[in-house]
Parts: sequence; C-alpha cells; structure tokens
Amino acid sequence: GQNIDQPTEMTATEGAIVQINCTYQTSGFNGLFWYQQHAGEAPTFLSYNVLDGLEEKGRFSSFLSRSKGYSYLLLKELQMKDSASYLCAVRDISFQKLVFGTGTRLLVSP
Amino acid sequence: GAGVSQTPSNKVTEKGKYVELRCDPISGHTALYWYRQSLGQGPEFLIYFQGTGAADDSGLPNDRFFAVRPEGSVSTLKIQRTERGDSAVYLCASSLTSGSEQYFGPGTRLTVT
Repeated sequence: GQNIDQPTEMTATEGAIVQINCTYQTSGFNGLFWYQQHAGEAPTFLSYNVLDGLEEKGRFSSFLSRSKGYSYLLLKELQMKDSASYLCAVRDISFQKLVFGTGTRLLVSP
Repeated sequence: GAGVSQTPSNKVTEKGKYVELRCDPISGHTALYWYRQSLGQGPEFLIYFQGTGAADDSGLPNDRFFAVRPEGSVSTLKIQRTERGDSAVYLCASSLTSGSEQYFGPGTRLTVT
C-alpha cells in the first residue's frame, strides 16, 4: 500500500517563501507530482519529480529524495492567488494511477 | 485546445437511484482516470482506462460502481442504488499516454439525499 503525509494547513505572508513538505511510504514508486487546487476547481499540474534533486519552474520548485521518501514544494514571492490546496501525489509503478495525500491548504495573507 | 470536460457539473439524486456521470477527455489522450474527492480530502483513485479497456479497477468501492469507455474516448461512470456515502466530487483526468501528466476536468458534484 501507499501512505502519504503532508501538513493540513499553512499560513504565509504575501511576498514570502513557503515550503510544503510531503513524506511517503510506498510499495512501488514511479514519480511524485504536485498539484494546485483552488476551492471548487479541478487540480492543476505544478511539477513532477522522478529522480532525486530539485526541479525549478518559475516561482515554484519541487525537491525529491527517494531514499528518504520525502519531497517538498517551494513557493517563492507568494501572491494572494497562491491561496489554495496543494496536493502531493505518488504514481503507482504498476498501473500509473496517482495516490494523493489529503492536501495542504495554504492561506496567503497581505 | 479544449480541456477535459465533465457533465453534469452538479447532480442531486435520491438514495437508491441510478446515476451516470460523463467524461470527455482531451482529444488524442489514450489514458483516462476516474477519481473521487470528498471534502477536505485528496482525490481517491477509482478506475483507469488504457484505450477501451479498464487496466485497473481496484479503486471501485463495490459492485454498484461501473465504468465504460466503449470507443476509447468518452467514458461514463455508472452508480447503481446510490447511497448518501456516495456524495462527493467525481473527477476525471486524461493523459496522452499512461505515463504522462494527468489533466483533470472540473468534476461532477454528486449529492445523494
């Protein structure tokens, strides 16, 4: 089976940097994804890591350590529109399905 | 181009009724996934299609749930004898191939009264 843990809620200030952590325990691993989900909307893809290291994409970066079962999503220069839930998901090695954590609700304040 | 679309956007039904939820994937995407999301939770996998066949249906909670994709494009999720516990947002996603990024539709919010 798979178990994915991430904090339930985080708060940060506009312009700041925030790091959302995700730890996982899986019977098979074929990549880790981060999705953003605004309330009442569909999840949208942010980043993908399959090898160890840091992937940078504009204001968003994601890090993976497979040996530690650990990932984080780093958001820089926070904007009010970044207030959303951030979902960590591990891809199953056999059938490509995604197994999601419960999501981290980020609230950005002025 | 058009993204994944789902209809209806909202569905209210009475306990015991039958419902069908439709998903139109992105054109050309061979893989299609159904997930269910309850309030405050992440999406939970239900079933995955590669082409017309269900490659993995291990997430379907019981035999009241069934899904089809007869022509390898549009998919329908069918729920028989609905129960209040089936109330959730049902999300559909598609990807170009089974290993590529999944694009999600806006979901169908199902409420069973």
